[in-house]
Amino acid sequence: NAGVTQTPKFRVLKTGQSMTLLCAQDMNHEYMYWYRQDPGMGLRLIHYSVGEGTTAKGEVPDGYNVSRLKKQNFLLGLESAAPSQTSVYFCASRRDRGDTEAFFGQGTRLTVV
Amino acid sequence: QKEVEQDPGPLSVPEGAIVSLNCTYSNSAFQYFMWYRQYSRKGPELLMYTYSSGNKEDGRFTAQVDKSSKYISLFIRDSQPSDSATYLCAMSLGYSSASKIIFGSGTRLSIRP
Repeated sequence: NAGVTQTPKFRVLKTGQSMTLLCAQDMNHEYMYWYRQDPGMGLRLIHYSVGEGTTAKGEVPDGYNVSRLKKQNFLLGLESAAPSQTSVYFCASRRDRGDTEAFFGQGTRLTVV
Repeated sequence: QKEVEQDPGPLSVPEGAIVSLNCTYSNSAFQYFMWYRQYSRKGPELLMYTYSSGNKEDGRFTAQVDKSSKYISLFIRDSQPSDSATYLCAMSLGYSSASKIIFGSGTRLSIRP
C-alpha cells in the first residue's frame, strides 16, 4: 500500500536549471496538491488539481508549472530554478471535496545553488 | 494578513503535562478544521478534524472550534515524548467548495522525559 509517492527525495540544482518533481498516488483520489514548506512559513499551496486534466493556482504559483495528464500522477515543474525555490516540497491527495483527510508524500528536499 | 495564524513555538513541556496548541483564522467561511502532526523529515499526517463548531475527543487529544472567535485549539493530555513533533492546524471551506486546504505555520512541540 504505497499511498503517495514522491520522486526524487533529494535534489541539488544549479540556478537556471530545470527539473520535474513527480507525485504518484494509488488511491484513486480526485484531488491532488503541491505544497512547499519553509521554516516558519508552514505549508504553502503552490498548485492543485481537482481531477485529471485540471490544474489551478494556489498561494505561491510563480515560477512553477504543473500537469495532471493521468489521474494518478501530478507533476510539478521548475523551468528555471532560483535559490528562492530551495525548500521541501510535499505532494498530497484526497478522495474528493467532502473528504477532509489529505494524505501526504514523504517530501522532496530541493536545494538550488 | 495570513488567513491562518499559528504560534510557531517552540514549545517545551515536561512529560505528563497538558499541552494547548492554538490557531486563529480570518475567513469566516471555513467549515472544516483539522490538526496534522508532522514528525521530523516526514510528511504531515491527519490527527483530528472537526466540522463547524464544537469539541471532538479522541483518546488523549481534544480538538475545539470556536467559530464566533475564529479560534481553534488542540489539547493533549498526559503528554508523552512520542508526542514531540510539529503540529499544523489546517482549514478548508464547506463541502461545495472544499478544494483547497490552508495550513498554519506549525508549532514545534517537545516533550521532556
